[in-house]
Amino acid sequence: NAGVTQTPKFRILKIGQSMTLQCTQDMNHNYMYWYRQDPGMGLKLIYYSVGAGITDKGEVPNGYNVSRSTTEDFPLRLELAAPSQTSVYFCASSYEASGGYNEQFFGPGTRLTVL
Amino acid sequence: GQQLNQSPQSMFIQEGEDVSMNCTSSSIFNTWLWYKQDPGEGPVLLIALYKAGELTSNGRLTAQFGITRKDSFLNISASIPSDVGIYFCAVHNDYKLSFGAGTTVTVRA
Repeated sequence: NAGVTQTPKFRILKIGQSMTLQCTQDMNHNYMYWYRQDPGMGLKLIYYSVGAGITDKGEVPNGYNVSRSTTEDFPLRLELAAPSQTSVYFCASSYEASGGYNEQFFGPGTRLTVL
Repeated sequence: GQQLNQSPQSMFIQEGEDVSMNCTSSSIFNTWLWYKQDPGEGPVLLIALYKAGELTSNGRLTAQFGITRKDSFLNISASIPSDVGIYFCAVHNDYKLSFGAGTTVTVRA
């Protein structure tokens, strides 16, 4: 199993450009998540999905969009990039069967710089 | 999101030392987690705590879930160079995780 994979690893965008960060998992997990990590800060939840066709906002969703057309893929879209979106983005997935905690597995991250 | 206060923010450790870090919250949580992030990688789960007062070990790591359910600490015994990285506490609430700001551990030469 590859686990959670993310592409690209690095990207530089100009202000106002758009891009899609890709995330794929091969563990058949039903839940997927997008986090951003700013320097000296913990991870903050952007969006999450409890299954194909279902997405919901996290703590910091403004400026982002997501879709979940398949179990495996959960892309994150930035429509009008801003310098405040410079960050490291992590995708994660987990198998949730009940209200208890099940481990979230994280991808290696995408480092995005907006100039 | 939930406010988790993690301390210290950073620490330098000597190889062989025991180190400790902790995390507090003003709210009660039923699941506390400790993750480690190596440079250039995503976080990896070290220890999960499910019961107030619980003490759980994973090799040289020991973590405790506070009795009040508002805090947790992580100990690393006999530190080695590969212990460098960022350690995060996190709480699980309604299928979502909230993270502390992290403790950066660096090994002193």
